[in-house]
Amino acid sequence: NAGVTQTPKFRILKIGQSMTLQCAQDMNHNYMYWYRQDPGMGLKLIYYSVGAGITDKGEVPNGYNVSRSTTEDFPLRLELAAPSQTSVYFCASSPRDEQFFGPGTRLTVL
Amino acid sequence: QKEVEQNSGPLSVPEGAIASLNCTYSDRGSQSFFWYRQYSGKSPELIMFIYSNGDKEDGRFTAQLNKASQYVSLLIRDSQPSDSATYLCAVQEGNKLVFGAGTILRVKS
Repeated sequence: NAGVTQTPKFRILKIGQSMTLQCAQDMNHNYMYWYRQDPGMGLKLIYYSVGAGITDKGEVPNGYNVSRSTTEDFPLRLELAAPSQTSVYFCASSPRDEQFFGPGTRLTVL
Repeated sequence: QKEVEQNSGPLSVPEGAIASLNCTYSDRGSQSFFWYRQYSGKSPELIMFIYSNGDKEDGRFTAQLNKASQYVSLLIRDSQPSDSATYLCAVQEGNKLVFGAGTILRVKS
């Protein structure tokens, strides 16, 4: 099993550009999550999903959108990128309680 | 949003010593607690979880939970330089985990 995969690993965006961060898992987990982690800080939940077709906001959803059309995939969309969105983004999946993380995407907005 | 508090550290211990990492949480109804280790530049990886009051041991790691006092701790015995990392405490809140900011542990050889 590949576990949780994320693409790309690194990305530099210009202010106002848009992009989609990809996340996929092959463990048939119902729950999936998107976090951002700023330097020296903990993980902040952006959006999460409890199953295909169901998504909900986390603590810091502004400026982001998600969709969950399949169990495996949970893409995160950034519209009109801003410097405040410079961060490391982690996707995670869970069968119920414990979460398993992908390798992360390091995003810089200039 | 429930709160999870950790001392940011760094906590420095000599090789072979016991490292003690602590975490307090605000929601008295929380039932599930997790410890993650995060190496610099890497993603968090699950070390242990604990649901019941008392101790849970796994190799060199022991998680301790005291629901009455609302704290959970992680003990690392025989600390090794490879244990140097940031340790994140997480508390279950419905379908989500609430993470603390993490404690930096440095094990000196």
